[in-house]
Amino acid sequence: DTGVSQDPRHKITKRGQNVTFRCDPISEHNRLYWYRQTLGQGPEFLTYFQNEAQLEKSRLLSDRFSAERPKGSFSTLEIQRTEQGDSAMYLCASSLDLVGTEAFFGQGTRLTVV
Amino acid sequence: DQQVKQNSPSLSVQEGRISILNCDYTNSMFDYFLWYKKYPAEGPTFLISISSIKDKNEDGRFTVFLNKSAKHLSLHIVPSQPGDSAVYFCAALRGGSNYKLTFGKGTLLTVNP
Repeated sequence: DTGVSQDPRHKITKRGQNVTFRCDPISEHNRLYWYRQTLGQGPEFLTYFQNEAQLEKSRLLSDRFSAERPKGSFSTLEIQRTEQGDSAMYLCASSLDLVGTEAFFGQGTRLTVV
Repeated sequence: DQQVKQNSPSLSVQEGRISILNCDYTNSMFDYFLWYKKYPAEGPTFLISISSIKDKNEDGRFTVFLNKSAKHLSLHIVPSQPGDSAVYFCAALRGGSNYKLTFGKGTLLTVNP
């Protein structure tokens, strides 16, 4: 399978715990994105990498959130001291560095904070 | 402030008929628009796109129409098939920031056999 891969697919955690998600983009894609989707809403932009450089972070990404993309390959999204409001689907996407090219999404990680 | 609006949460059509999904936007800086389809428990899948320099783009059963003056676009599916049943998201890209998609809330399309 050469699509965008996310792990885990589901995560249930207790409030206050830290969680980390992984995203493996399509290999030739140098752009990588994280989005968050809550019930009844469309995906909302969180952050964007061009190769290993994190070029933009949304105001939605509080200090408890950190994302990395070492060596411009896979990416991780860590949430520290999780809160119930963090419960959502976290989507990773990747694309080529071309104007107008579409982003390809992974299947997402469903986070539930109890 | 919702910059991309899909005002119909759901739409139900009969198999073989036309499905028309609508989308409005408020930001005149948007210059590229995309439609994504999403099945339950899966990520969004790209369907079709249109640049603001065009008013129509067609791909098989799917056609997207763009009316810039009205800041409105629509997705037409003809003929509709039961496998088209999914949530459809309208998304937009802003010129100069051609990486950050702004999504609408989605429309659930149900195609009845």
